[in-house]
Amino acid sequence: DMKVTQMPRYLIKRMGENVLLECGQDMSHETMYWYRQDPGLGLQLIYISYDVDSNSEGDIPKGYRVSRKKREHFSLILDSAKTNQTSVYFCASSPLQLFAETLYFGSGTRLTVL
Amino acid sequence: GQQVQQSPASLVLQEGENAELQCNFSTSLNSMQWFYQRPEGSLVSLFYNPSGTKQSGRLTSTTVIKERRSSLHISSSQITDSGTYLCAMNNNNRIFFGDGTQLVVKP
Repeated sequence: DMKVTQMPRYLIKRMGENVLLECGQDMSHETMYWYRQDPGLGLQLIYISYDVDSNSEGDIPKGYRVSRKKREHFSLILDSAKTNQTSVYFCASSPLQLFAETLYFGSGTRLTVL
Repeated sequence: GQQVQQSPASLVLQEGENAELQCNFSTSLNSMQWFYQRPEGSLVSLFYNPSGTKQSGRLTSTTVIKERRSSLHISSSQITDSGTYLCAMNNNNRIFFGDGTQLVVKP
């Protein structure tokens, strides 16, 4: 059963707190992604990971960092969260490094920073 | 700049009507993909369509890579088709999304 799992689904934090969003996949995909989606907008790429400890900045990496110590897990970290980081965060994975045949998405984490 | 432009931004249909959603790309692309986002937010891949025409039930996707465009045709729309349709392009392993078309199908 191919699945991308995100935890938690909903999260409320105060400005300045640290935030950890977790993502797991059971398909042994090499490539994993973190996106954020704001109301009325498409998805913006925060970070991409090509494999363990092989991470690359996306289009909006400022304020975020990532960690990938195992192929099946990819974490997004917000050190000292800001209110403008309130958003829905999606994790995705894909099987090929060069040409992503298809993206598999998690259910998203709705983060509110007060 | 916006690499992926989707039109229309929103669309309201009566149940049973057809719809044509468009996606245009401002740069060359390796492949593209259509996604459906349910009203509650989860994303489902509809088509991975690097070129040509693909059909799945009432949905048909046509991509013309040379012209940097793709379309999604929904025939005989149903209320359960309501949601947001997103297209995404792959350019050298960077994936860019459009802002989506919000579809509402009314009874």
